[in-house]
Parts: sequence; structure tokens; C-alpha cells
Amino acid sequence: DQQVKQNSPSLSVQEGRISILNCDYTNSMFDYFLWYKKYPAEGPTFLISISSIKDKNEDGRFTVFLNKSAKHLSLHIVPSQPGDSAVYFCAASALTSGTYKYIFGTGTRLKVLA
Amino acid sequence: EPEVTQTPSHQVTQMGQEVILRCVPISNHLYFYWYRQILGQKVEFLVSFYNNEISEKSEIFDDQFSVERPDGSNFTLKIRSTKLEDSAMYFCASDNLVAGDPTEAFFGQGTRLTVV
Repeated sequence: DQQVKQNSPSLSVQEGRISILNCDYTNSMFDYFLWYKKYPAEGPTFLISISSIKDKNEDGRFTVFLNKSAKHLSLHIVPSQPGDSAVYFCAASALTSGTYKYIFGTGTRLKVLA
Repeated sequence: EPEVTQTPSHQVTQMGQEVILRCVPISNHLYFYWYRQILGQKVEFLVSFYNNEISEKSEIFDDQFSVERPDGSNFTLKIRSTKLEDSAMYFCASDNLVAGDPTEAFFGQGTRLTVV
């Protein structure tokens, strides 16, 4: 039951260029979406989020776009830096039983080449 | 910056033994979670906890699993009789919903559980 999918397991980008990471979801009840960054042997670190009432949220070099009709979100990193190299997970959630549990995608490994 | 802390960082246990994974959530957070990530797979939700009771649990969270908040700071995950397939990274997380509005959850560094 893959409610959240990241179809690209890996992505390589040249330093200074744009990185675009994609995520698709199937459950129309999801109303809050997040991107987490993860290094090996560490916990996920929150990057940026977006509520379903918005279609764009920007924070510095990171922008998340949400297309609700297509059930698609993307993370843009501009400009990409070598320190951005990590695994990026998108997560989706809906308020159930009073809490927001996250459904994670399988992750995309981003490699930024110097 | 406040953080979620987990101990131990690595736990090796024999199959059939009980393990307790410990977490100290961020102090003013009220909602607590356990997730796990089997090597090479995605992060999976196990259980959410609020007001001293389980709010929701996944199919993975069977009778072998339990959670507890024994005091004002710790949040524990117990696996009663470990199986080989319980080997994974276990992540604790906490957040602070405000009037039902979502906020991001903060994750700990994880405990790597190895069942041999």
C-alpha cells in the first residue's frame, strides 16, 4: 500500500544548479506535506512543509510546490550545494485520532557534485 | 535548539529477549511517536501517543509492542520478545499540535536494534 511514492531513487546534480525532487500521493485525505532530509545513521531532519490550502511554500533555497489535482508535490533546491547531498523523504499526513501520523515515501538520494 | 534524544544508539539483543528503547521528547511537546526503518526500506509509522494513551497504531504494532510514559520526560518502546525481523532503526518523534493545526515533528537520532 504505497500511498506516498518517490519514483526516483537517486538524483545527481551539479553544484549551483537546481535540484528537483518529486513525490506523488494517492490519498486525497492528506492535508499536510513535509520534506525531511536524512543522513546515514541519523534521524530525519525537517526541511520544509506545506498545507493543502497552499500551492507553494518557500524557505531560503528550498521551495515546495503542491499540485492537489495531480496529487503531486515537488521540492526545489536552488542553488544546490554539496552539503545538500543526502536522502530526501517526502511525508504526507492527515489528522486521524487527534494526531498527525506521517506516511513516508521511499526516499530519493540526492548527490550534488562539486 | 531543543532536540529529541534517544538511548541507546545501538542495541544488540538475542532473539526472544525483551528490549526497551528510550526517548526523551522535546519538553513542551505533547504528542509522541515511534517510527522504524528497516535497512533499505522506508520509514514506517508504528504508534502515536497523547495524554498517556495510544492514539493510533499501525499493523506492525502488535501485542509484542508497548509504549509507556513512565514519568514526565521519558517515552519508551518495549518489544516483549524480539524477532529477527524486528532489526531496524527505531526513531522517536514529538510535535506540538496547536488547536489541531499541524506542525512538523522532530525526530531523534534513532536506535539501531540488531536482533541476533
